[in-house]
Amino acid sequence: AQKVTQAQTEISVVEKEDVTLDCVYETRDTTYYLFWYKQPPSGELVFLIRRNSFDEQNEISGRYSWNFQKSTSSFNFTITASQVVDSAVYFCALRPRWAGGTSYGKLTFGQGTILTVHP
Amino acid sequence: NAGVTQTPKFRILKIGQSMTLQCTQDMNHNYMYWYRQDPGMGLKLIYYSVGAGITDKGEVPNGYNVSRSTTEDFPLRLELAAPSQTSVYFCASSYSSGDPTWNTGELFFGEGSRLTVL
Repeated sequence: AQKVTQAQTEISVVEKEDVTLDCVYETRDTTYYLFWYKQPPSGELVFLIRRNSFDEQNEISGRYSWNFQKSTSSFNFTITASQVVDSAVYFCALRPRWAGGTSYGKLTFGQGTILTVHP
Repeated sequence: NAGVTQTPKFRILKIGQSMTLQCTQDMNHNYMYWYRQDPGMGLKLIYYSVGAGITDKGEVPNGYNVSRSTTEDFPLRLELAAPSQTSVYFCASSYSSGDPTWNTGELFFGEGSRLTVL
């Protein structure tokens, strides 16, 4: 069984603060993908990043960075110098790479973290 | 640049009515999915399809049906709507090259359909 836990239900910061969103996962699969999606107030789901389980390099994209640690089953997301436009619900998700059998490549989502950035 | 298109965006149903949520993708993706999102919760998988003619149940399939007659279309049917089906529904698709049992692509989501059952 797969499980994704985002322990922070809501986070509130002031603009320009750095903020880290935590994600911890459980899986029995040996190869899998981890994702982060953003859901702004308009409601659509925006893909941010996909990380392979066999690639533990951290990644930076502009103000966004991701810290993947397989040893602690965590895939945390940091926004540097937050902006009001970063206000959204952020979802961490997990999917086995193998889509055969009962896993069918199912994407499992965490509960989401509501981030509010105040001006 | 349509991607995944869902219709309708909003709908109000009375208890016991039926309706179909339409989903079309123009990216030639083999995998398609229906998720529902309830307030304060993550997304739950209702049904999925790995290709035309092949569908299977996800975590919360009761009260729903799907079909996949073409690669592009994956409609979700609600029979005998109940208040518990009030939710936001998302259709998604992804692509896997080569062996379809290796699901390597990221999911692309539609804009969502907000359904209220009164």
